[in-house]
Amino acid sequence: NAGVTQTPKFQVLKTGQSMTLQCAQDMNHNSMYWYRQDPGMGLRLIYYSASEGTTDKGEVPNGYNVSRLNKREFSLRLESAAPSQTSVYFCASSQTPGTKPYYGYTFGSGTRLTVV
Amino acid sequence: AQSVTQLDSQVPVFEEAPVELRCNYSSSVSVYLFWYVQYPNQGLQLLLKYLSGSTLVKGINGFEAEFNKSQTSFHLRKPSVHISDTAEYFCAVSEKSGRRALTFGSGTRLQVQP
Repeated sequence: NAGVTQTPKFQVLKTGQSMTLQCAQDMNHNSMYWYRQDPGMGLRLIYYSASEGTTDKGEVPNGYNVSRLNKREFSLRLESAAPSQTSVYFCASSQTPGTKPYYGYTFGSGTRLTVV
Repeated sequence: AQSVTQLDSQVPVFEEAPVELRCNYSSSVSVYLFWYVQYPNQGLQLLLKYLSGSTLVKGINGFEAEFNKSQTSFHLRKPSVHISDTAEYFCAVSEKSGRRALTFGSGTRLQVQP
């Protein structure tokens, strides 16, 4: 089924460990996004990539890095995990905003990360 | 900058009753508006979207929303809810120019009781 695939689905890290969250889409979308979801705060943008080879910071980029490996893949890296990064992480993709017709974002199923 | 305010964090309602989930937004430019639904332990699914044209938008599962430009609102409604509608609902906005990514509200948890 076409869509956005995230791995892993669950992860427990110790403080200071590093890890990479993987995201791939097969809809030929130019734009990809990483959000984190915390209770009562909705989804907040961490980083986004408008097209292959470009990345930009979102609302909460501190502690994270991203790589747009190719058009399909957009990874999120935590270099030194902290308890404050315990969250659910969602990857999304979309056509370039302004494209007609525009269908909005397609989300992956999420990665639940716990940092102890 | 753009922002979204969902006025109710929780909305309890009895099965078969009508419901309205409120959403107000702020933006200095023209916007697209969206409602997403998140069932427990799942990702986000698009319910409906307003891009242009008719201000009354119909979505999946019997939901509809009305764009009110003067009140900068995009409230979500359903005339008769089911137990299966229990979920968290997110309102979101993005600029039509595409310069900013989607901005979400804090969410409203709809709890449908028998």
